[in-house]
Order: sequence, then structure tokens, then C-alpha cells
Amino acid sequence: QSALTQPRSVSGSPGQSVTISCTGTSSDVGTYNFVSWYQQHPGKAPKLMIYDVSTRPSGVPDRFSGSKSGNTASLTISGLQAEDEADYYCCSYVGDYTVLFGGGTKLTV
Amino acid sequence: QLQLQESGPGLVKPSETLSLTCTVSGASISSGSYYWAWIRQPPGTGLEWIGSIYYSGSTYYHPSLKSRITMSVDTSTNRFSLTLRSVTAADTAVYYCARVYLHTDYVDYWGQGTLVTVSS
Repeated sequence: QSALTQPRSVSGSPGQSVTISCTGTSSDVGTYNFVSWYQQHPGKAPKLMIYDVSTRPSGVPDRFSGSKSGNTASLTISGLQAEDEADYYCCSYVGDYTVLFGGGTKLTV
Repeated sequence: QLQLQESGPGLVKPSETLSLTCTVSGASISSGSYYWAWIRQPPGTGLEWIGSIYYSGSTYYHPSLKSRITMSVDTSTNRFSLTLRSVTAADTAVYYCARVYLHTDYVDYWGQGTLVTVSS
């Protein structure tokens, strides 16, 4: 199983929007609506930002949104803020209680 | 408030066995709606799913690690464990334990992570 494909880095200015893509295959992202996104600041554990493609957990700002089309999922962050600067990982269910992560994207604000 | 805490040695010699335990507090490990996972992150790189275990003891391992891994669960102490045999430098990583929602497979709680270095 190869990692899901994410851009190595993206950047944006405060107040702007950025979108991070996550490309899989018909065996993972394309089949299951079980895509989640995690934010990780340096030295910290990842934090759940989006699950089930587009659902935000309680406490996550509505500036964060998720979507999916075919084999590609996307995370969009609007109204960028300095504290959004972090690494972001997508994740997809692949069957048998197993998931696959993306390689991660470094967001620079 | 659910908390997960990894424990185990921070240094393991090559070819030896890495053993970690995750203690769960604030929720029962026997909850039928969740399973429990180990995820690792080598220095400077991304996340890698190692394997998962249900409270019943059913296990699911990453194909590339399957021959070297054993996971177990102890519902009486609310803990689950990871054993990784024949380690090499490539197994050096921060190891996280985590709770995974059973039905749609997202990680809602993570431990703080523990760095395990494989070196002689």
C-alpha cells in the first residue's frame, strides 16, 4: 500500500484560502466515504479536523471544510490564520479495520 | 476526558524487541464502538498505520509489518500493547497509540507519543 498523495507544501497569506488535495485510488478514497484530515503542529500529536469526508468535530472552526470527488479528497482552509500553520495529513479507510495516511502537507501562512 | 498514555523504553538495540503499552483512562477499552491502534512517525516524515486491535482481541496488522508485530489487549487494566520484533534503525519513530471510531475509521483521540530510538 503506497501512501495517499498530497502536495509536499502549500502556502497562503492571512485571510486567504488554501486547498490541500489528497489523491488515492479506487480501492481507498474512491470507494469509501471514510476520509479524515489531521492537523499536526511541531512536536505535538495530530488533531482530528475533518472526518467522514466533510464533517467537522466539535470545536473545529468552520473555516475548515472537506470534500471528495472520485479518487481525490480535499481540505480547504478559508480565512487563513497564523495558527493554521502546521502539517496536514489525510487518511482513508482501506478495509479490514486498516487505514492509509497521506504523506503530509506543510502549510505555511 | 479520555486520555491515552504510551509507556515503554525509549532505546532499543538492533535485532531486539520493542514493547510499548498504552494506558487508557476516562473511557472503557471495551466500548464496542471503537478499536485501538498504533501509529508511528519516523523523524521528519509522515504517519504510518502499524495495526489495530478490538477489545475482543481481534487484530489487524500493516501488511509490511505483519511478520514482526503482535498486539494484545487487557480489558481488566484498560491497556493495550504493541510488540515489534527484530527492530532496525528504520523502526526509529515516535509511536502513538490512538482510539479509532469503528464505523467510519477516524482517529478521535491520540496519545502524546513516545520516541523510540533503535541504536546500539
